Order: sequence, then structure tokens, then C-alpha cells
Amino acid sequence: GQQVMQIPQYQHVQEGEDFTTYCNSSTTLSNIQWYKQRPGGHPVFLIQLVKSGEVKKQKRLTFQFGEAKKNSSLHITATQTTDVGTYFCAGSGGYQKVTFGTGTKLQVIP
Amino acid sequence: DGGITQSPKYLFRKEGQNVTLSCEQNLNHDAMYWYRQDPGQGLRLIYYSQIVNDFQKGDIAEGYSVSREKKESFPLTVTSAQKNPTAFYLCASSRQRMNTGELFFGEGSRLTVL
Repeated sequence: GQQVMQIPQYQHVQEGEDFTTYCNSSTTLSNIQWYKQRPGGHPVFLIQLVKSGEVKKQKRLTFQFGEAKKNSSLHITATQTTDVGTYFCAGSGGYQKVTFGTGTKLQVIP
Repeated sequence: DGGITQSPKYLFRKEGQNVTLSCEQNLNHDAMYWYRQDPGQGLRLIYYSQIVNDFQKGDIAEGYSVSREKKESFPLTVTSAQKNPTAFYLCASSRQRMNTGELFFGEGSRLTVL
């Protein structure tokens, strides 16, 4: 079945440093979504990417979808303490179920 | 305000007991889902429903049951057959089929088996 791997599992950064999490699928995806879950909270949708090679930005967050539509990344520039949480990618291969990655837990040290 | 309401937030259960987790949405979404989250893990799909009176098994349906009698409601029963039920349970809904639209999550129900 479809598998979605996410690395790293944990990341500690000093406030102001950049952060990147990577998502890799075992199969070609029709789209990929990114979610953020704050400690003790529930996942909140950030963005969806659909096109091969697509790049989208939300303020300090940059999302990329690979050319082969099998990988994606989320990059945060100049992290802030409000960025703390776990970031999940979630991929779908057409009419298949959405599969969530294992998540990257981000800690930001003030 | 529109959203998804899950109850209870915290639930303790003795081994051998069935429990039912409630999920209600007023977003007028057709599709609803139940996920399980274990510490340090991603979200695993238990059941999903794309229309009233119809639902499908997800990746880890064994030991769980659901019903979808109303568009707004999608309760999950954790039965005594579920070997390791202690987990954080998340209900979600989407406007479209699950592979095309964003998922809106409830605040979750944390189940502990004593």
C-alpha cells in the first residue's frame, strides 16, 4: 500500500534559524496536503499542492511539490516560538485514501 | 460558528467495555472520518463515510464500528475486541471526497483503558 515517510522525526532549532521537513511517498501522488498540530491540539490544514513542481508561499513558510509528485517539503524561514508543533504531510494517490506521514516535531528554543 | 464537536474530551474505560465517541459537524460536509493518533505517530484512518448510510473501513478498522444515520453525525464505537484502544481519536470532515479537499478536525477525544 501507499506509504508516506517524513524526516526528520524531531528538530530543535534556535529562534531565528530556518527549518525544513521532507516528505517522501512510495507512490506517485495526485496531491499533497500539509497540516500543523500544536502541542495538545488537533491538526490544522495549512495548504494543498496539486501540480508537479509547484511552489507556494505563506509568509515565512514555503511549500514545494516535487517534479515526480512523490516528494514534498516545507521550509520555515527565521523560526519563531509560535512555529512550535508537529507538521504532517498527507498524500493521496488519485482515488486512494489520504495517507498521513509520521510528522516532524519542531521545538524552537528562544 | 461552524465546526466539528467531539465528546467526551477525556474518557476512561475498563478493559472489556465498549465506549462510543461522539462526532457532530455543522459544516454541511458530506464526508466524515475517524483517525487514531498514538504518541509520536502519524494519523491512521479507522473508518470514513462519504455519504449518509454508507461507510468504508480504513487501515485499522478491526475492533471499531461506526454508523452514519445523519449527515451531521458520525459516532465511533471502540469495542472490547480492540486490543490496544488507549489513544487520541480525531474526527474530521471534508467538503469533498477525502482525496481532493482539506480535512477539518475536531479537538479530539483521549481514551485511556485502565
